[in-house]
Amino acid sequence: EAQVTQNPRYLITVTGKKLTVTCSQNMNHEYMSWYRQDPGLGLRQIYYSMNVEVTDKGDVPEGYKVSRKEKRNFPLILESPSPNQTSLYFCASSRSGTSEMTYEQYFGPGTRLTVT
Amino acid sequence: GEDVEQSLFLSVREGDSSVINCTYTDSSSTYLYWYKQEPGAGLQLLTYIFSNMDMKQDQRLTVLLNKKDKHLSLRIADTQTGDSAIYFCAESKPADKLIFGTGTRLQVFP
Repeated sequence: EAQVTQNPRYLITVTGKKLTVTCSQNMNHEYMSWYRQDPGLGLRQIYYSMNVEVTDKGDVPEGYKVSRKEKRNFPLILESPSPNQTSLYFCASSRSGTSEMTYEQYFGPGTRLTVT
Repeated sequence: GEDVEQSLFLSVREGDSSVINCTYTDSSSTYLYWYKQEPGAGLQLLTYIFSNMDMKQDQRLTVLLNKKDKHLSLRIADTQTGDSAIYFCAESKPADKLIFGTGTRLQVFP
């Protein structure tokens, strides 16, 4: 089954304790992205990756890191989490598009993170 | 700026039509999308429209695009309780980027 998986689904942690949220896709997609969802703000892009070893900042990258060592995996790293990073996080993947064509983004089930 | 705006809530009676509206900012966006998010789940693509189209119909769904006003709407005919969800519109940007709206929570009551 084609899917995007994220782990963990739920996480409660304390300020300053490093954490990693994993994301994996089995569709051989080039493009992967992380979003955070907050009430009244919709989804905002944190980081994205066009392919292996190619990553770039989205709209709200502060406090986050990513890596893309393999095509299927795109972990999100919070080196020193703070309470304002409490949110619902989604990973997504798609084929890489062109200026004339974009492809459907497939989303993971989400990771609800609480930082106290 | 890159703001895509939607009203936050919509409540309809089962069997009625629902119309969810969205305004976007970038007239150069190639595609406009509607995603559905059910409780506790990720987003799923519902439908999309290419920017050179005015309307697209897919079973109970009708998408209308007014490029002049940068207005996008999603009409759901014969709304069912299973349609209760949050609906996001999104506009495409270069490098596969999507700009999402704030989401509209649709509640369907019997």
